[in-house]
Amino acid sequence: ETGVTQSPTHLIKTRGQQVTLRCSSQSGHNTVSWYQQALGQGPQFIFQYYREEENGRGNFPPRFSGLQFPNYSSELNVNALELDDSALYLCASSPWTRNEQYFGPGTRLTVT
Amino acid sequence: AQTVTQSQPEMSVQEAETVTLSCTYDTSENNYYLFWYKQPPSRQMILVIRQEAYKQQNATENRFSVNFQKAAKSFSLKISDSQLGDTAMYFCAFMNPGANSKLTFGKGITLSVRP
Repeated sequence: ETGVTQSPTHLIKTRGQQVTLRCSSQSGHNTVSWYQQALGQGPQFIFQYYREEENGRGNFPPRFSGLQFPNYSSELNVNALELDDSALYLCASSPWTRNEQYFGPGTRLTVT
Repeated sequence: AQTVTQSQPEMSVQEAETVTLSCTYDTSENNYYLFWYKQPPSRQMILVIRQEAYKQQNATENRFSVNFQKAAKSFSLKISDSQLGDTAMYFCAFMNPGANSKLTFGKGITLSVRP
């Protein structure tokens, strides 16, 4: 059984640019959640996707957007990058019937 | 809104000994889930243990067990026979299954296991 995978592992962007992060959910999981983890902090919920629809959103501005595809993989897009967007971005997948989330290894985003 | 508090930023334990990590939470919900996640230096967040609020019995997974006190809104993690591989950040997390199942995390605690 393949776990949750994320790409890229690490990337560096300049303030004002746009970035796309990708996540492949664990086999059999149809729900994907994205979290932002600043250095030394706990993860903060960005949003969740279920069956290609947004199913809840945390306290993040609209420049954070996402997609979920028919194969349940997902993308996180961030426009107009700011220095404070530098963080580890975690993707987690779960089956709709169980309240457990399984995380990928994360993407470390650095904005300069 | 739910909040999760982990007041101990760091703890250290000798290999083979037992350590308890504390967590408190605040919610008005009656049905919810609580989790402990482990995040080693590799960054991958690993699910350690989960507790359903409606279950009075404390969850156990091998060397890991919890002390769930619903009235006190307390959810501590006990690690028995600590191993060097247990060195990691540990996060306590809350989930309200009726609200898009998002996880609300505490700030985490850094656990170091000494050889």
